[in-house]
Amino acid sequence: DVKVTQSSRYLVKRTGEKVFLECVQDMDHENMFWYRQDPGLGLRLIYFSYDVKMKEKGDIPEGYSVSREKKERFSLILESASTNQTSMYLCASSFTYAGQDTQYFGPGTRLTVL
Amino acid sequence: AQSVTQPDIHITVSEGASLELRCNYSYGATPYLFWYVQSPGQGLQLLLKYFSGDTLVQGIKGFEAEFKRSQSSFNLRKPSVHWSDAAEYFCAVGAGSGNTGKLIFGQGTTLQVKP
Repeated sequence: DVKVTQSSRYLVKRTGEKVFLECVQDMDHENMFWYRQDPGLGLRLIYFSYDVKMKEKGDIPEGYSVSREKKERFSLILESASTNQTSMYLCASSFTYAGQDTQYFGPGTRLTVL
Repeated sequence: AQSVTQPDIHITVSEGASLELRCNYSYGATPYLFWYVQSPGQGLQLLLKYFSGDTLVQGIKGFEAEFKRSQSSFNLRKPSVHWSDAAEYFCAVGAGSGNTGKLIFGQGTTLQVKP
C-alpha cells in the first residue's frame, strides 16, 4: 500500500513565524503535490513537483514556497505565516504510467496561525 | 478552463437507502475522473477512478460511478448506505498536460446518514 505521511497532524503557530510542513512518501513516486482545503472551496493546489529539485506553481502559490531535495520528501514553507493561512494542508503523491496517474493523500496537517 | 461542480453541498439519507452524489465537469478532452472520500479529520481516500473503457466503474466500499460523456457527468452511487459512509465526498478531474497529473476538485458533498 502507498503510504504518504505528514510530519504533524495539528500545528499552532504565531503570525510572522516561518513554518515548515513536511511530507514523505514511500512508493518512489515522481510527482508530489501540496493542497490546502477550506470549507466550501474544496482542495486548491498550492505547488507541485514532478521531479527532484523541480517545482511548479499551482493555483494559489502566493505566500508559500516548496523544497524537494529528495524524491521521497516534499516540504511546504510558509515564509511568514499569516492568519489567512489557517487551513488544512494535504500532501499527495503519484506516478504516471501509460498516461494514467492516481494521487494518494496523506492524513493532513491542520494549521492554526494566531 | 477545467472545472468540477458538485451541486449538492450537503445530503442526508437514511441508513439502508440508496445514494447518488452528483458531479459535473468541464474539460476539453477525454477526462480522467476520480471520486475521493474524506472522513472527519482524515486525508482523502480514493474510492474509484475512470480513465477509459467501461463507463461504469466499480470502486471500494460498494460504490460505483458512471461516466456519461453526453451529460459531462460522473455520478457516484451506492445501493444501500451504511452509517460508516457518513463523510465528505470529492469529485475530481485530471487537468494536467504531459505527465504531471494535476487534479481539479469539486467543492465537496457532505453526506449525513440517519439511523
